Amino acid sequence: ETAVFQTPNYHVTQVGNEVSFNCKQTLGHDTMYWYKQDSKKLLKIMFSYNNKQLIVNETVPRRFSPQSSDKAHLNLRIKSVEPEDSAVYLCASRQVGQYAEQFFGPGTRLTVL
Amino acid sequence: GDSVTQTEGLVTLTKGLPVMLNCTYQTTYSPFLFWYVQHLNEAPKLLLKSSTDNKRTEHQGFYATLHKSSSSFHLQKSSVQLSDSALYFCALSHNYAQGLTFGLGTRVSVFP
Repeated sequence: ETAVFQTPNYHVTQVGNEVSFNCKQTLGHDTMYWYKQDSKKLLKIMFSYNNKQLIVNETVPRRFSPQSSDKAHLNLRIKSVEPEDSAVYLCASRQVGQYAEQFFGPGTRLTVL
Repeated sequence: GDSVTQTEGLVTLTKGLPVMLNCTYQTTYSPFLFWYVQHLNEAPKLLLKSSTDNKRTEHQGFYATLHKSSSSFHLQKSSVQLSDSALYFCALSHNYAQGLTFGLGTRVSVFP
């Protein structure tokens, strides 16, 4: 049963365009995340957002920015996409606590031509 | 910073055989370890988790024991099934606000 929803499923765009991906969770969790899964399936944290506190992985390029309207939504905007941004972007949510399970959305596959 | 090492990139085996996937970690904090499984074109899902030293945890036939002395959390199953073919990630958390640190993943392919 899906409780973390992402749109779109796929997106194809040209270098330099702006894209935005949506994520919504219905679990009532306090913390949401964006992960990038590259072509080798490596999973890396990009952002986490909790109670209006944003934590950014320092390796994430500045063209990426998260946007949140409330604790159930965390969108991802890429200002000017580059070829290396082609990947699957996974949204996740988690309740407070180091031991809490993290629930992932189905992902948005981005292809940059 | 935190790190997780999974030494096998690909494990291929025949249905019914046992499997062990290695996971070691480094952190200066008290560790919380997780195994996630990702089937083809699906989201990762939690398989197991542990924060208790030397206590075996089990789920869906898989089991693992956190050993803080060796910083390990190996995943095992005594008899794999075709449906176990998937990508398995070991992950570490010490601060929920910073998300999980994942290993590179181990792909398991089970043949009839």
